[in-house]
Parts: sequence; structure tokens; C-alpha cells
Amino acid sequence: DTAVSQTPKYLVTQMGNDKSIKCEQNLGHDTMYWYKQDSKKFLKIMFSYNNKELIINETVPNRFSPKSPDKAHLNLHINSLELGDSAVYFCASSQDYGLQNTEAFFGQGTRLTVV
Amino acid sequence: KNQVEQSPQSLIILEGKNCTLQCNYTVSPFSNLRWYKQDTGRGPVSLTIMTFSENTKSNGRYTATLDADTKQSSLHITASQLSDSASYICVVSEAGGGNKLTFGTGTQLKVEL
Repeated sequence: DTAVSQTPKYLVTQMGNDKSIKCEQNLGHDTMYWYKQDSKKFLKIMFSYNNKELIINETVPNRFSPKSPDKAHLNLHINSLELGDSAVYFCASSQDYGLQNTEAFFGQGTRLTVV
Repeated sequence: KNQVEQSPQSLIILEGKNCTLQCNYTVSPFSNLRWYKQDTGRGPVSLTIMTFSENTKSNGRYTATLDADTKQSSLHITASQLSDSASYICVVSEAGGGNKLTFGTGTQLKVEL
């Protein structure tokens, strides 16, 4: 059983398109996250959701919008895709908000390529 | 600005050998430090989490150390295996609530026969 699953694994699309990446966790966790990993392998948080409430939005362009239909899902919708959006996007979840001493479980990543 | 720096950037070792990866951070106030292993094409997987009061923590052949005074951590891998080939990422959490994690850029380890 995959704890945190993302779809699709690969996504190639043209500039200006709108796309969504889906994420589901079956761990019963309260908080979910989206991270972006750039070409230099640097992971940076984009959003975190706790009980359907957006907690952090780290200066991400408003073209990116997280959508959480329920506690187990946090989808990432991107409007008007740009070349610079090309990266690997990781979904993650944790038991509680704050990650003080709790594990964060990551999905396998979605490699987005904008052409 | 909170930063996490790792060294070396990449490392190649022979199977069966030991190696040590380094992590220096400036994150403050400090909450905890984690080491993650990221296989190619996969998401990061947690190896260890250490709080301020912990100096060392082991997970099988992985042993992490933490010196909160000098803000340094190391990850020691014993008797390396081919499957240890991956990127090892040091992540430091800022105290005060919220998901304030600062990621290092990782050390790319390759274990060869």
C-alpha cells in the first residue's frame, strides 16, 4: 500500500496551459504539504494544509492553488504554466501541524516539464 | 537567513566501505534535525530525527550525530551497500510552530563494486 500517492508521475505540457497534480494519503494524517524540487535538487515548501485550512503559502505565485476536498487529499492546480514551473513536485503528509518531532512522508514526486 | 549546507556535494565509495556526510546549519531557533534518503525518481524517506538534547541516533547502518552548539550534524554509513546509492538530505526544523523546514541540497552518494 502506497502511503502518499501522486498522479501523474510525469507531466509534459505547453506554456500557458492549466494542469493539476493529485495527491492522496492513506495514513490518516492531519496535515499535507506540497514541495517543489528544482534542478539543483533543492526542496522548498509551497503549501501546507491542516484540516482543510491553508497554513503556509511561501510566496508562491497565485497561479498555483492547492485544493483539498477532504483530509486525505491535497491537489495542486497550476494556471498559465510557465517554463520556470518545470520541476519535480512532491506531496507529503504528517500526523500533525508543525512537524516538531513527527515524520513527514513523501510521495514519489511528479516531474513537470513545461515546453 | 536560515541555511543548511551539506558536504561533500557528491561522493563515490566502494561497497563495504564506511563514509560520513556533513551538515552545517544556521537555522534558529532550532527544533530538530532530520536526515532523509532520496532514491533517484523517488520521494525523500526519513532516516533519523534528532532534537536538541540528542547527540546521536542510529537506524540500522545509519548513525547520525548532532552538535547543537556548533550547529553541525553528520550521517555515518557503515558497511555501505549498492542500495545506499542515493541523495542524502539534511533538513532542519525551526522552533515556534509551523512547517518551517529548511532543506539542504543534499549529498549524492554512489556506492560501486
